[in-house]
Amino acid sequence: DAKTTQPTSMDCAEGRAANLPCNHSTISGNEYVYWYRQIHSQGPQYIIHGLKNNETNEMASLIITEDRKSSTLILPHATLRDTAVYYCIVRPGGSQGNLIFGKGTKLSVKP
Amino acid sequence: GAVVSQHPSRVICKSGTSVKIECRSLDFQATTMFWYRQFPKKSLMLMATSNEGSKATYEQGVEKDKFLINHASLTLSTLTVTSAHPEDSSFYICSATDGRLAEAFFGQGTRLTVV
Repeated sequence: DAKTTQPTSMDCAEGRAANLPCNHSTISGNEYVYWYRQIHSQGPQYIIHGLKNNETNEMASLIITEDRKSSTLILPHATLRDTAVYYCIVRPGGSQGNLIFGKGTKLSVKP
Repeated sequence: GAVVSQHPSRVICKSGTSVKIECRSLDFQATTMFWYRQFPKKSLMLMATSNEGSKATYEQGVEKDKFLINHASLTLSTLTVTSAHPEDSSFYICSATDGRLAEAFFGQGTRLTVV
């Protein structure tokens, strides 16, 4: 079973920041937080991952709370092409096992 | 990021026939590949895990004789849906990792429709 909780859906205005929350209150010390997204009828796309420090790459920023029980994925300037289902996944570091997908958050970016 | 190519992207087949789906890692050696299935408006469900040169490990409830997985090389894994039925119609997705990458990369998916 997925070990994360995410809102079912969110809306965001084009050009604004999209902040997607994720709760992972039972996360273990060696588990990382991963974010993937799935645009309709495509395979999932890796976005970002982190352990405890905030992370940023060309796609997004990941903010992890100090107690690591929740995190927020930030898309700084959402575009219509960011409309997708966003999955937050926790996984042990160094693991080569499969990713367990929950239901994710359906983000709709509106003009 | 690393590239995983899946082919075909769409396939329609008749009931009772078999369909083969290919998953290739284009710029890395995939020691492990995963096959997922996704029904409409549902999340991805793992079907099986394959390691290069060994037999695949199937998840509970997945028929290994129906969903044949071959991972004969470090860049190619195939999923064959044998004797397909309409209830096998789904979106099939592969992912691959090389044992070093922190993240897994996914293919584009294959939409299978059995008529």
